[in-house]
Amino acid sequence: DAKTTQPTSMDCAEGRAANLPCNHSTISGNEYVYWYRQIHSQGPQYIIHGLKNNETNEMASLIITEDRKSSTLILPHATLRDTAVYYCIVRVALIIQGAQKLVFGQGTRLTINP
Amino acid sequence: GAVVSQHPSRVICKSGTSVKIECRSLDFQATTMFWYRQFPKQSLMLMATSNEGSKATYEQGVEKDKFLINHASLTLSTLTVTSAHPEDSSFYICSARPRDRTNEKLFFGSGTQLSVL
Repeated sequence: DAKTTQPTSMDCAEGRAANLPCNHSTISGNEYVYWYRQIHSQGPQYIIHGLKNNETNEMASLIITEDRKSSTLILPHATLRDTAVYYCIVRVALIIQGAQKLVFGQGTRLTINP
Repeated sequence: GAVVSQHPSRVICKSGTSVKIECRSLDFQATTMFWYRQFPKQSLMLMATSNEGSKATYEQGVEKDKFLINHASLTLSTLTVTSAHPEDSSFYICSARPRDRTNEKLFFGSGTQLSVL
């Protein structure tokens, strides 16, 4: 699976949009970009994933550049409860090939400030 | 959404004893479950992949005799830390993939904090 690079930490004011970048310059054509987050002392929580097109769900938006070498996770109106470590992961998602393990990098520690 | 239950959430044990951690998929069947460990302020490290009805696949550097994994049913996987020592103290997390869904995302348990005295 391709390697990802994220800033170690970020701060954002409550109520503002939090934009978390991720570089994945070695991503291949059949690899998806996944985002998970981990609130302190809990298991990771799935946020969103995408292949080429931008994606949006009730939690966040995912913007993937046209060359797919980087992406940005957007939390549109950050709250204090969004304080967590955010992980950007790139991997293949093929049913036929069976289980695909998820390998976590160091992630970005996002702190939402009141 | 799919729920993964992990038990216990916290365990303290004496050095030399064995500890069993359970991971259950409550509302779906999971042919594959994954076990991770996490040290303070570090990322999750994959330990092993557990497949129902077959032997687990361990990541490099993880002792299979130390960390016994059993995945006897489609809803339960267990991790047993045998002869635990203080260096085994860590946060252990399991995850599972629904059997009947696309291979898109994993669901995680809430983790088990193991402290070995």
